[in-house]
Amino acid sequence: QVQLVDSGGGVVQPGRSLRLSCAASGFGFSSYGMHWVRQAPGKGLEWVAIVWYGGSYKDYADSVKGRFTISRDNSKNTVYLQMHSLRAEDTGVYYCVRGLGSYDDFWFDHWGQGTLVTVSS
Amino acid sequence: QSVLTQPPSVSGAPGQRVTISCTGSRSNIGADCDVHWYRQVPGTAPKLLIYRNNNRPSGVSDRFAGSKSGTSASLAITGLQAEDEADYYCQSYDRSLSASIFGGGTKLTVL
Repeated sequence: QVQLVDSGGGVVQPGRSLRLSCAASGFGFSSYGMHWVRQAPGKGLEWVAIVWYGGSYKDYADSVKGRFTISRDNSKNTVYLQMHSLRAEDTGVYYCVRGLGSYDDFWFDHWGQGTLVTVSS
Repeated sequence: QSVLTQPPSVSGAPGQRVTISCTGSRSNIGADCDVHWYRQVPGTAPKLLIYRNNNRPSGVSDRFAGSKSGTSASLAITGLQAEDEADYYCQSYDRSLSASIFGGGTKLTVL
């Protein structure tokens, strides 16, 4: 069955960096677009980034553009989110998500368990 | 403030029917972008409930039904059960923002 295992979260000071990882299994990883979606404590869901199945197309929410980088290693069935210049407002649970549909109209059919990122001094 | 507007809360008694609205604009739902729905029990990851406006993934009960018209969409839940208590989110794509967008979420309470 499809499994997405998120890791890499933790407590980090403002301005520092952190890298999240998501190990995928149970499906043809290289054939799917992958995303990160986050949720601030007590708040709603926010789409963060997409990496298309080949890795060449990437896009980001305006709130993280220029600070976050999404990437994937299809040989390891893993997707990453490199986060720089972290801010307090980046605090939340980050979910790795499998996407379906096109690169500009998609939905999320499988979610990881989430990894908590806390940005605090 | 979310681009897609949902009521903060809805409630209903067991066995009743409730609907959750999701109001967008001409740059998202009205631009022929599909609407998808998720259910989230607090402390757990969201789960896909409806995709492409009115399609249920395998394993999702037919008590859940989605619809879309103009710049709005709705999720209907019939035969309300205690385990339906959760937060529900709509999602679409906004062509002006070039980004996926979520509604603010609706907390369903079963009385």
